[in-house]
Amino acid sequence: GQQLNQSPQSMFIQEGEDVSMNCTSSSIFNTWLWYKQDPGEGPVLLIALYKAGELTSNGRLTAQFGITRKDSFLNISASIPSDVGIYFCAGQLYSGGSNYKLTFGKGTLLTVNP
Amino acid sequence: SQTIHQWPATLVQPVGSPLSLECTVEGTSNPNLYWYRQAAGRGLQLLFYSVGIGQISSEVPQNLSASRPQDRQFILSSKKLLLSDSGFYLCAWRKPGSGANVLTFGAGSRLTVL
Repeated sequence: GQQLNQSPQSMFIQEGEDVSMNCTSSSIFNTWLWYKQDPGEGPVLLIALYKAGELTSNGRLTAQFGITRKDSFLNISASIPSDVGIYFCAGQLYSGGSNYKLTFGKGTLLTVNP
Repeated sequence: SQTIHQWPATLVQPVGSPLSLECTVEGTSNPNLYWYRQAAGRGLQLLFYSVGIGQISSEVPQNLSASRPQDRQFILSSKKLLLSDSGFYLCAWRKPGSGANVLTFGAGSRLTVL
């Protein structure tokens, strides 16, 4: 099956620092998504990417869909304490019919020290 | 607007007891519905998905089953829980034909099997 390698597994940073995390795959995807999960909650969508090379921002967050369609990164600028949580990448390859399934990375646990 | 509800939010059950977790979606029709499990290791594992009433696809062999008795209702069940069934269960929905391959998650149900 499709595998997503997400790195780093965890990050400990100081408030105000920039953060970068990425996902790579051995398969080509036609959609990349980035989610954030707060403790005890369900993941919430941050950014969705649909085209190779696409660069999209959402406030202090920026994500890009890699040109090879096998990777994506998420950057967070000027981190704040509420950025704490688990960040997941997810990729989807439409295989026809109504079969839409996402493959998730294992997540990056972000801790921000005030 | 669309909303997704899961209950119960927290459940503590003895080994061998039955399980029923419920998920409902409001504000849309004929959604694709998904059950994920998130174990302590953080990754999201797809358990079941459904594209319509009575249509269930299982992704991994396990002690659990899923049913979709109504268009916007998705139920996760077990006849006899195992210790390994403990985890955080997430329901998600997707609007078919939307062109946006985005899953929206519920707040989750935390199951502890003792």
